[in-house]
Amino acid sequence: GDSVTQMEGPVTLSEEAFLTINCTYTATGYPSLFWYVQYPGEGLQLLLKATKADDKGSNKGFEATYRKETTSFHLEKGSVQVSDSAVYFCALSDYAGNNRKLIWGLGTSLAVNP
Amino acid sequence: EAGVTQFPSHSVIEKGQTVTLRCDPISGHDNLYWYRRVMGKEIKFLLHFVKESKQDESGMPNNRFLAERTGGTYSTLKVQPAELEDSGVYFCASSRTGNQPQHFGDGTRLSIL
Repeated sequence: GDSVTQMEGPVTLSEEAFLTINCTYTATGYPSLFWYVQYPGEGLQLLLKATKADDKGSNKGFEATYRKETTSFHLEKGSVQVSDSAVYFCALSDYAGNNRKLIWGLGTSLAVNP
Repeated sequence: EAGVTQFPSHSVIEKGQTVTLRCDPISGHDNLYWYRRVMGKEIKFLLHFVKESKQDESGMPNNRFLAERTGGTYSTLKVQPAELEDSGVYFCASSRTGNQPQHFGDGTRLSIL
């Protein structure tokens, strides 16, 4: 079945450092890909998405490109801030059929130190 | 617009008791989803409603879990009787159509003692 694999955390960075969180997937169809973020004490928020190959999702300085050839959707940010400290989840959904559920990675905890 | 609302935010009960979680989706969202995250594991899909109908309940763990969405508005998820392995965070999400991104509530943290 479909699955998502994320790099294990926790990730600890200093402010203004470059961030990469790796995400790869396996899917039988043509999934849409998502990054969700959970800030401390809050719920899951959609950070960005991409619906087809070579699409780039971006939001709040974060970017991720849908790479079909490497089945990847790595999250990047050029300069992290303390306020980016959160847990980041990669997920996919295959809209091709009636299956609308999200398949999730384990989540990667990010701590940014001042 | 108001977001997805879940009640309670935290519930602590003893094994064998019954607990009911509630989710109020965003107004006008026909699609409602339940997910669960057990500590140390990935978030897992439980079920999907379209209006009041169960579209997909393939993720429901067993018959101790009962989800309803009467009238196609809010949904409840009842666990009866609760077991230790049911502990985790239960998330609800909604979307206007099945092809649109899901919006999540803050979750209910369920602790079974």
